[in-house]
Amino acid sequence: DAKTTQPPSMDCAEGRAANLPCNHSTISGNEYVYWYRQIHSQGPQYIIHGLKNNETNEMASLIITEDRKSSTLILPHATLRDTAVYYCIVGDAGNMLTFGGGTRLMVKP
Amino acid sequence: EPEVTQTPSHQVTQMGQEVILRCVPISNHLYFYWYRQILGQKVEFLVSFYNNEISEKSEIFDDQFSVERPDGSNFTLKIRSTKLEDSAMYFCASRPGQRSGANVLTFGAGSRLTVL
Repeated sequence: DAKTTQPPSMDCAEGRAANLPCNHSTISGNEYVYWYRQIHSQGPQYIIHGLKNNETNEMASLIITEDRKSSTLILPHATLRDTAVYYCIVGDAGNMLTFGGGTRLMVKP
Repeated sequence: EPEVTQTPSHQVTQMGQEVILRCVPISNHLYFYWYRQILGQKVEFLVSFYNNEISEKSEIFDDQFSVERPDGSNFTLKIRSTKLEDSAMYFCASRPGQRSGANVLTFGAGSRLTVL
């Protein structure tokens, strides 16, 4: 079973920041936090990952709390094309990824 | 940007028939995966493959399923005798070879299997 808890759905206005929360209170010290998304029925797409520190790339920022029990994915300027299901996943290096239900983000004009 | 390629994009088959789904992983990747997603449900892990052998498999991956890397580029999933409940999107994924570090997978676009 997935080790993460995410809200099933969220709305965001186009151009605004989308902040997607994730709880992973049972995360262990060597487990990473990964974020993937799935647009319609396409294959999941990697967004970002982190271990302890906050991370930023061209797609998003990942904020991990100091106790690592929760994290937030930030899409700084959401567009309509960011409408998707966003999955927060925790796992060891080398292990397979277990997908949960994710958060269905709807970006509205 | 390198991508994982899957064929066919959609296959319709009769119950009891054998199906082979094909994947071309990214060329320098060494770990390969199959996942599936039944319509409206979660993405489920089936199997992982490394160094020409299965490294991990789920309960779903029973004797009806097999994987193979027949040459240096293709990675196939075979379903020996399809059942109605095998109807799903099947996603292939691959990742680079380092054992340590993060598990960043690149997924293909998927193959939709419809069993009638």
